[in-house]
Amino acid sequence: AQSVTQLGSHVSVSEGALVLLRCNYSSSVPPYLFWYVQYPNQGLQLLLKYTSAATLVKGINGFEAEFKKSETSFHLTKPSAHMSDAAEYFCAVSDRVTGRRALTFGSGTRLQVQP
Amino acid sequence: DGGITQSPKYLFRKEGQNVTLSCEQNLNHDAMYWYRQDPGQGLRLIYYSQIVNDFQKGDIAEGYSVSREKKESFPLTVTSAQKNPTAFYLCASSGTGSYGYTFGSGTRLTVV
Repeated sequence: AQSVTQLGSHVSVSEGALVLLRCNYSSSVPPYLFWYVQYPNQGLQLLLKYTSAATLVKGINGFEAEFKKSETSFHLTKPSAHMSDAAEYFCAVSDRVTGRRALTFGSGTRLQVQP
Repeated sequence: DGGITQSPKYLFRKEGQNVTLSCEQNLNHDAMYWYRQDPGQGLRLIYYSQIVNDFQKGDIAEGYSVSREKKESFPLTVTSAQKNPTAFYLCASSGTGSYGYTFGSGTRLTVV
């Protein structure tokens, strides 16, 4: 079964600093990969997705992620953090082996932005 | 505007009672999903449905039931068999050929 690991349950950065949130997947077949953001007591919003086109994917709010097959990674980055980026971020993977469309989510990383 | 509506936003249940969470979408999406969210555990799949009148168990289906009688509706019933039902429940949908989800705003269930 597909799985995804997010390293670091909490990440704290200063406003204006680089944001790096880590995600690694386990699959013999490169899956489709997603990053979602969640604000308190709300649903999740799609930030970006990788579906086997370009390996560098740009998303909303200045975020981007790079698919690296050799490292089985899909880390999320943003060059300069803003206070409004404080939220919880989830990496998710689809199962292209079984074709199950339901996504498997990581355990999440809470991003804190310090003024 | 199209979207997914979950109701109610907050729900309180006494132990031993069944309760049904509503999820309605007007996006014309064929697939719908229910996830449970607990702190530090991410989202775990309860049930999903890819077509009307058909649904599959997810990873933590025990103590839950669903129905999919209409394309736009996918209600979740939390039964008394669910040992630890207090959680945040999220409904999502996706269109044909798409793996990206649209999420509802969630229902927070508390057992009192």
